[in-house]
Amino acid sequence: GAVVSQHPSRVICKSGTSVKIECRSLDFQATTMFWYRQFPKQSLMLMATSNEGSKATYEQGVEKDKFLINHASLTLSTLTVTSAHPEDSSFYICSARQGFEQFFGPGTRLTVL
Amino acid sequence: AQTVTQSQPEMSVQEAETVTLSCTYDTSESDYYLFWYKQPPSRQMILVIRQEAYKQQNATENRFSVNFQKAAKSFSLKISDSQLGDAAMYFCAYRIRPMNRDDKIIFGKGTRLHILP
Repeated sequence: GAVVSQHPSRVICKSGTSVKIECRSLDFQATTMFWYRQFPKQSLMLMATSNEGSKATYEQGVEKDKFLINHASLTLSTLTVTSAHPEDSSFYICSARQGFEQFFGPGTRLTVL
Repeated sequence: AQTVTQSQPEMSVQEAETVTLSCTYDTSESDYYLFWYKQPPSRQMILVIRQEAYKQQNATENRFSVNFQKAAKSFSLKISDSQLGDAAMYFCAYRIRPMNRDDKIIFGKGTRLHILP
């Protein structure tokens, strides 16, 4: 299947700083990318849907000013956690769609101190 | 609204035995996909099997097969000849088939599968 990468795989930051997570589709073009958040021992929670060249669509309850999503090209979407706080610590997973298939990145573990 | 329910938070099976993971869903749509995803300790989501709702035949992928009961809105996963590498969290998931604004994947809460040597 197609490959989706995420960078970084782990990040530790201080409270109040911003962190950027990159999601790339390596061997295909993805018109739509998705960002999920996963708490320990829980399911994936969709945060937003990102379409290339347009504004992301956020799920109810997700602060769009806190979780900035940019989908500047058909192979790259970024999630920026602004003014991170300890409660933002979580596992973030991106996913990219190719046709009717959806492929997942390996995830990024964010720890905010 | 569409929902996916996995009623078994955890299950255990002896190596080489067969195990069935349950999933029910609710939707008013007639055309959709159902999936089973595996999330091993590495946290990488892996597609195990996909079923198109319009297909009556149950999907199979090697040791993995599903029992799709559309009228009952049931979609169980059977793993035959369980192997240690099958130990993971398994998520049942749903997505409407036509690609439109609502075609996001909806996940169940997951079932953690333990394989006993």
